[in-house]
Amino acid sequence: NAGVTQTPKFQVLKTGQSMTLQCAQDMNHNSMYWYRQDPGMGLRLIYYSASEGTTDKGEVPNGYNVSRLNKREFSLRLESAAPSQTSVYFCASSEVQGRSYTFGSGTRLTVV
Amino acid sequence: QKEVEQDPGPLSVPEGAIVSLNCTYSNSAFQYFMWYRQYSRKGPELLMYTYSSGNKEDGRFTAQVDKSSKYISLFIRDSQPSDSATYLCAMIAPTSGGSYIPTFGRGTSLIVHP
Repeated sequence: NAGVTQTPKFQVLKTGQSMTLQCAQDMNHNSMYWYRQDPGMGLRLIYYSASEGTTDKGEVPNGYNVSRLNKREFSLRLESAAPSQTSVYFCASSEVQGRSYTFGSGTRLTVV
Repeated sequence: QKEVEQDPGPLSVPEGAIVSLNCTYSNSAFQYFMWYRQYSRKGPELLMYTYSSGNKEDGRFTAQVDKSSKYISLFIRDSQPSDSATYLCAMIAPTSGGSYIPTFGRGTSLIVHP
């Protein structure tokens, strides 16, 4: 099925460990996004990539890095995980910015 | 104060009721407005998209935008238990760099009981 695929679906990390969240879309969309969702906070943008080869910071970029590997793939890296990064992470893509956004099913990350 | 305000609920209604979900915003630069539905442990999915003031209807769903009052609504007619989910509003304004990035409300939890 066409859409946005995120891996892994669940992860538990110890404080200080690093990991990369993977995202791939097969809809030939130009723009990709990483959001985190916390109870009572809604969806907050971490980083986005308007097109292949570009990345920009969103509302809450501290502690994260991203890589737009190619048009299909956009990864999010936590270099040194902290308990405050416990959250549900969503990747999204859009063909054109300002139009509809397609979300993945999320990665549930717990940092202990 | 967040740019987009949305009551988190929960909003509990009986099956068949008309549901009204609302968001207010402060940024007059918002040009596009969306409603997403999110089931538990799933990603958000787009329900409605609009860019002008007025009403847009799609089946049992009607999106309403009032730019003068900075207020948007989503109405659900003949609500069903399968409509039980969190509903997020989202609004888009251009950034200084020319990108169009959505700002989401916190979401309203809707429970439709049989």
